[in-house]
Amino acid sequence: QKEVEQNSGPLSVPEGAIASLNCTYSDRGSQSFFWYRQYSGKSPELIMSIYSNGDKEDGRFTAQLNKASQYVSLLIRDSQPSDSATYLCAVNSGGSNYKLTFGKGTLLTVNP
Amino acid sequence: DAGITQSPRHKVTETGTPVTLRCHQTENHRYMYWYRQDPGHGLRLIHYSYGVKDTDKGEVSDGYSVSRSKTEDFLLTLESATSSQTSVYFCAISDFSYEQYFGPGTRLTVT
Repeated sequence: QKEVEQNSGPLSVPEGAIASLNCTYSDRGSQSFFWYRQYSGKSPELIMSIYSNGDKEDGRFTAQLNKASQYVSLLIRDSQPSDSATYLCAVNSGGSNYKLTFGKGTLLTVNP
Repeated sequence: DAGITQSPRHKVTETGTPVTLRCHQTENHRYMYWYRQDPGHGLRLIHYSYGVKDTDKGEVSDGYSVSRSKTEDFLLTLESATSSQTSVYFCAISDFSYEQYFGPGTRLTVT
């Protein structure tokens, strides 16, 4: 069973700080990695995709991938109260790119 | 929600009754998925489709069946609903980028 592990949190940061969300995965063959944001009562929303080792930046978000360590992270700079949500890590699984395994998510709270 | 609708959005049904949930997309994406989301378990794949009439099981497929007769529609059927199938059900779609986009969800309660 392929696994994706996340710290469930809650992770609490003050407004303006950097929030760091972490994810580890068990399948060394995984090639595609995604971060989703899910507000309470809403559906998951894709915010970042990363496929190669290193960093990928999009606005205040940076995804970091280290395949050797089987580790992917999401940094949120200048955190805002509107960033308060559950963040889901997803990794392709089963040897196919079109199936994803999701972590259980990390609840982030940004305090004004 | 990227051109994805789910119906109904809310449903309450009794144990033993059949239930069909519908996912409709206007993006012409090849892949479609059904997930359930439960506290403590996260998102779990029920069934998925990689083309019209091409479907396969996910990790929690027992008690569920699916059909896809058109590119835009993916149906999830609970043949005989049980209380353990009370959950929030999400449909998702993807194309060859493999990025999945989710519908708004259906909240199903089985009493």
